[in-house]
Amino acid sequence: DADVTQTPRNRITKTGKRIMLECSQTKGHDRMYWYRQDPGLGLRLIYYSFDVKDINKGEISDGYSVSRQAQAKFSLSLESAIPNQTALYFCATSEANNSPLHFGNGTRLTVT
Amino acid sequence: QKEVEQNSGPLSVPEGAIASLNCTYSDRGSQSFFWYRQYSGKSPELIMSIYSNGDKEDGRFTAQLNKASQYVSLLIRDSQPSDSATYLCAVQGSGTYKYIFGTGTRLKVLA
Repeated sequence: DADVTQTPRNRITKTGKRIMLECSQTKGHDRMYWYRQDPGLGLRLIYYSFDVKDINKGEISDGYSVSRQAQAKFSLSLESAIPNQTALYFCATSEANNSPLHFGNGTRLTVT
Repeated sequence: QKEVEQNSGPLSVPEGAIASLNCTYSDRGSQSFFWYRQYSGKSPELIMSIYSNGDKEDGRFTAQLNKASQYVSLLIRDSQPSDSATYLCAVQGSGTYKYIFGTGTRLKVLA
């Protein structure tokens, strides 16, 4: 029973294509995040949103954009995919400041 | 200096032993600390949160926090092969949105 659901689970795309990764949650949390994970680099924050009208850049937002369609939905887009965006992408939610992050199942993205 | 540092491992322990995982952090104002377990290719799962100095126990897991020395550790008692995973330490500073993750320690429990 996934409280934070990501689609697709796997995606292979070509350089230059625009793609969207979707995240939806049933936890009722206002705060949502997008991270990417690369071997040896850990989890790095791309964007975060504390409510529908609040969108903020994280540490590695270049080449990405997001949309918060509703409290429960937060999508990540790659404007024009490039091979170094090949990574594991995670959506996460949190209830409040100082609360733990709850992660979705992840999307494995490969850009060829 | 990295903001959150963990030994990458692998840390190998025999089944039934205690596994000790350590994490140091650089922001002295950090208030919230989390341990996650991550199996290869899967998402991080929360094991424990800790906010105050001292020990916090949950089943076979004990988190230890020492803010003066800026470290947090995770002990796993009676380690099982199913505990073999990468363990991520995450730290959140005071009044900030930012969760800083270490790169993780890979634990191998040998049957």
